[in-house]
Amino acid sequence: DVKVTQSSRYLVKRTGEKVFLECVQDMDHENMFWYRQDPGLGLRLIYFSYDVKMKEKGDIPEGYSVSREKKERFSLILESASTNQTSMYLCASRGGKGSDTQYFGPGTRLTVL
Amino acid sequence: DAKTTQPPSMDCAEGRAANLPCNHSTISGNEYVYWYRQIHSQGPQYIIHGLKNNETNEMASLIITEDRKSSTLILPHATLRDTAVYYCIVRVPYNNNDMRFGAGTRLTVKP
Repeated sequence: DVKVTQSSRYLVKRTGEKVFLECVQDMDHENMFWYRQDPGLGLRLIYFSYDVKMKEKGDIPEGYSVSREKKERFSLILESASTNQTSMYLCASRGGKGSDTQYFGPGTRLTVL
Repeated sequence: DAKTTQPPSMDCAEGRAANLPCNHSTISGNEYVYWYRQIHSQGPQYIIHGLKNNETNEMASLIITEDRKSSTLILPHATLRDTAVYYCIVRVPYNNNDMRFGAGTRLTVKP
């Protein structure tokens, strides 16, 4: 079974802090994604990466950056957290020979105070 | 610029078939229809996908109209555990591209 893990299930940070959200997948997938999910707004794509050291902006990249130094790991960085970044963050991976299914992690609920 | 349109919510009686519609009138010839669902407090889960023929797996059936402008996801015997938000997505598979989720349909299965 494909496993996508996220470093924390719940996280509380203060305004202005630098926040790292880590995502690891164990299936050698090329593509990895970061979404945020807010009530009434559905899942919105922040950034995605289709290879090591590659990244593409999604719909709402402002205030975020990402890092993909190794194939299995995709990090989301909030350089200076703000209260409007309080949200559920979901990581996903996709790819592999003959498979186009996207697998999601359990999510990190981030609260910025 | 939504590619799909789904009703915001639907109810279904336990044990009955749940039929979830999706409109994708601007779908292009090489785009597939994908369905995912998200149970409360979990990440979305893949259900099924198809191009133009009807598809069935252990979870659901997918019926795509002949003109491919709409589709229906069918859960043949809905259970309470099928209560979730269901997302319909169109995209070209096996590309290095993103997968964008709309608001989906919140299905509530009632006893």
